[in-house]
Amino acid sequence: GAVVSQHPSWVICKSGTSVKIECRSLDFQATTMFWYRQFPKQSLMLMATSNEGSKATYEQGVEKDKFLINHASLTLSTLTVTSAHPEDSSFYICSARDSGQLQETQYFGPGTRLLVL
Amino acid sequence: SQQGEEDPQALSIQEGENATMNCSYKTSINNLQWYRQNSGRGLVHLILIRSNEREKHSGRLRVTLDTSKKSSSLLITASRAADTASYFCATAAGYSTLTFGKGTMLLVSP
Repeated sequence: GAVVSQHPSWVICKSGTSVKIECRSLDFQATTMFWYRQFPKQSLMLMATSNEGSKATYEQGVEKDKFLINHASLTLSTLTVTSAHPEDSSFYICSARDSGQLQETQYFGPGTRLLVL
Repeated sequence: SQQGEEDPQALSIQEGENATMNCSYKTSINNLQWYRQNSGRGLVHLILIRSNEREKHSGRLRVTLDTSKKSSSLLITASRAADTASYFCATAAGYSTLTFGKGTMLLVSP
């Protein structure tokens, strides 16, 4: 089955530092990947849609200069949280669509838990 | 804005009982999907039902969709302790993004 990995699975950093999270589709190509954020006991909120070879599309209220997205290949998208602050602490989840199949199902990664001190 | 709203927010049952979760949404959809999330983990896709379908089965899961009422239900039969998780519905219009509901936390006690 389609597998999506994320790295790292968790990260603790100091306020003001930048953190990069990787999302990889392991056995399929993904033209489109998605980045979500989930706060405790809440639902997933879409942050941005990442398209291979082009700029990401950000949802309203999400700062593109703070959450940098790079989708340089068909199997890798990265999210960089720049100058992280404690309020950025959250669970970040990516998902990917299989470019070779009906684009109805998104395959989700296991998530990255970020704690900013 | 969030589209799906699950009901109830939390559900506690005994093993062997059935669990029913409901989801309502506001706008037209192409399909509706249900996902499961174990605590602190990623999402697992359970089932997808298209707007022209009314009912779908997958193992112990049964999903219904009523587009006239803009609602869906997920039934888990003969629940097990391993079914303990949060369940989310997500709607999609065309091949666009998914919009998730707030989720239902299901606790199945042995």
